Amino acid sequence: DAGVTQSPTHLIKTRGQQVTLRCSPKSGHDTVSWYQQALGQGPQFIFQYYEEEERQRGNFPDRFSGHQFPNYSSELNVNALLLGDSALYLCASTRQGPNYGYTFGSGTRLTVV
Amino acid sequence: AQSVTQPDIHITVSEGASLELRCNYSYGATPYLFWYVQSPGQGLQLLLKYFSGDTLVQGIKGFEAEFKRSQSSFNLRKPSVHWSDAAEYFCAVTSGTYKYIFGTGTRLKVLA
Repeated sequence: DAGVTQSPTHLIKTRGQQVTLRCSPKSGHDTVSWYQQALGQGPQFIFQYYEEEERQRGNFPDRFSGHQFPNYSSELNVNALLLGDSALYLCASTRQGPNYGYTFGSGTRLTVV
Repeated sequence: AQSVTQPDIHITVSEGASLELRCNYSYGATPYLFWYVQSPGQGLQLLLKYFSGDTLVQGIKGFEAEFKRSQSSFNLRKPSVHWSDAAEYFCAVTSGTYKYIFGTGTRLKVLA
């Protein structure tokens, strides 16, 4: 049973560019959340998707947007990249109901130069 | 404000020694609490979770944690540390709405 799958694993972009990160949730999970983990920090909540809608959002600018597809997979888009966007981006999935806890992917390492 | 504090940024222990990693939280609602471990360049692996019931919870890899509501703490323990336990450990809290608040982590170094 595959866990949470993220692609790509590493990415280098230039300031001002746009990037799309992808996530496939664990089988049976219908809720996807995205986290940003800067070097030496704990993960910070970006947003959560359920039933193809953004349900919760953390303290991130509108440059960060997302999407969830009917098969529950998700994308994270970041526009107008800044050097400070360099981080490990983690996708996590869970299912509705009693809190089962997230399953995290291995992340996408984004470097903005 | 909701927050999680992990007071120890770095901890070094000898292999075979006992371990306790501290976690304190500030949360208005009844908390659900988690400990995750992260190896370098990797995602987060769930060690254990507390939702309700017995305040001493057992996890994977021989870890356990105790929820103390009066102290707003959820400390992680292991009786005998192995070299493979060297990693970064994160405590997290949620109210069940799936937004997790993480601490800043504790990096564990194990001496042979």
